[in-house]
Amino acid sequence: AQKITQTQPGMFVQEKEAVTLDCTYDTSDPSYGLFWYKQPSSGEMIFLIYQGSYDQQNATEGRYSLNFQKARKSANLVISASQLGDSAMYFCAMNPFAGGTSYGKLTFGQGTILTVHP
Amino acid sequence: EPEVTQTPSHQVTQMGQEVILRCVPISNHLYFYWYRQILGQKVEFLVSFYNNEISEKSEIFDDQFSVERPDGSNFTLKIRSTKLEDSAMYFCASSADNYGEKLFFGSGTQLSVL
Repeated sequence: AQKITQTQPGMFVQEKEAVTLDCTYDTSDPSYGLFWYKQPSSGEMIFLIYQGSYDQQNATEGRYSLNFQKARKSANLVISASQLGDSAMYFCAMNPFAGGTSYGKLTFGQGTILTVHP
Repeated sequence: EPEVTQTPSHQVTQMGQEVILRCVPISNHLYFYWYRQILGQKVEFLVSFYNNEISEKSEIFDDQFSVERPDGSNFTLKIRSTKLEDSAMYFCASSADNYGEKLFFGSGTQLSVL
């Protein structure tokens, strides 16, 4: 079984500053994928970034980067140069690459509400 | 950019009624999923679907739930006899491959059971 833990119920950041959202995971699977999604107040789930456990380099997508530390089982999201539009709920999720399991079966964390102040 | 489309965005129904939630996945995607999010709780996996059959389902996905891809473009979730506890946001998702690397979600259908 997989478990995702996001220990920060809420985070605040000043506009234009960087912020790190924490995510730790637990799995016995040797290979897996890690995701971050953004959920604005309107409710949709927006894919932000993906990291495979086999990837040697940390994933980056524009202002988003994933600080992947496999030994510590952490996959923190770093948002650089925060914007007011970044205010939203952020979910960390993972999927196992185990045989017989649907790879789209994501396990989600509880989420972190990010508020960006002007 | 292609997107997953869900209709309706909001659905209100009476307890015991049947509802069908509709989704149009991204056109070249082959793997389809339903998730739900009860207000204030985690997003939970319900079911995955590939090649016209269920590939995996969670314990939530009991006999009152069913999925179908009736016409090669739509992907539906049917709840036969709704209960109050079925009230949630239901998300459809799709991916092109079975690695789930690019799993795209629709904007969700908010189901309210009264």
